[in-house]
Amino acid sequence: ILNVEQSPQSLHVQEGDSTNFTCSFPSSNFYALHWYRWETAKSPEALFVMTLNGDEKKKGRISATLNTKEGYSYLYIKGSQPEDSATYLCAFNGATNKLIFGTGTLLAVQP
Amino acid sequence: NAGVTQTPKFQVLKTGQSMTLQCAQDMNHEYMSWYRQDPGMGLRLIHYSVGAGITDQGEVPNGYNVSRSTTEDFPLRLLSAAPSQTSVYFCASRDRDYNEQFFGPGTRLTVL
Repeated sequence: ILNVEQSPQSLHVQEGDSTNFTCSFPSSNFYALHWYRWETAKSPEALFVMTLNGDEKKKGRISATLNTKEGYSYLYIKGSQPEDSATYLCAFNGATNKLIFGTGTLLAVQP
Repeated sequence: NAGVTQTPKFQVLKTGQSMTLQCAQDMNHEYMSWYRQDPGMGLRLIHYSVGAGITDQGEVPNGYNVSRSTTEDFPLRLLSAAPSQTSVYFCASRDRDYNEQFFGPGTRLTVL
């Protein structure tokens, strides 16, 4: 059974705070690590797909890093805004073609 | 492009009834998957397919069947609905490994 874990489970920050979450995944048979943003009552939307050890990706105020050797990825949000409030999911893509999701980090940004 | 579409949006079943959740995509993606979303559990993979005629089990396959006769369609069948299958079901597709996955709008299923 593949274990994809995310921490923390939830996070409450003030507008303007910077924050980060962790995703840990198996370090063997690695193909890719995905990050998704999931707003309430909507469908998940892709943020990043990361494939190489040491990869860093950035989209606006959101960035992510990847360490495949130790099996973790960090997602950073700089200067959080209320519209960043959502659940952030990571997903592990291994050799089996399956995309297995973690349970997510729920971010609430208060104005 | 319509992307990934799912029908119905909402469904209420009685225990023991069967039904099919429909999923279609118009992006010519090879990979398609079904997930269920339950509180505190995130998205759990039910079944997936890497192409027409090929399906495989995910993390929670029991009580569900799938088939993939065309690239576009990937229906999920509940054989004999149980209250434990009350959930929100998401269909998703991607064109291959390394690429982002696109999700449908979800089907909210309640089994009484």
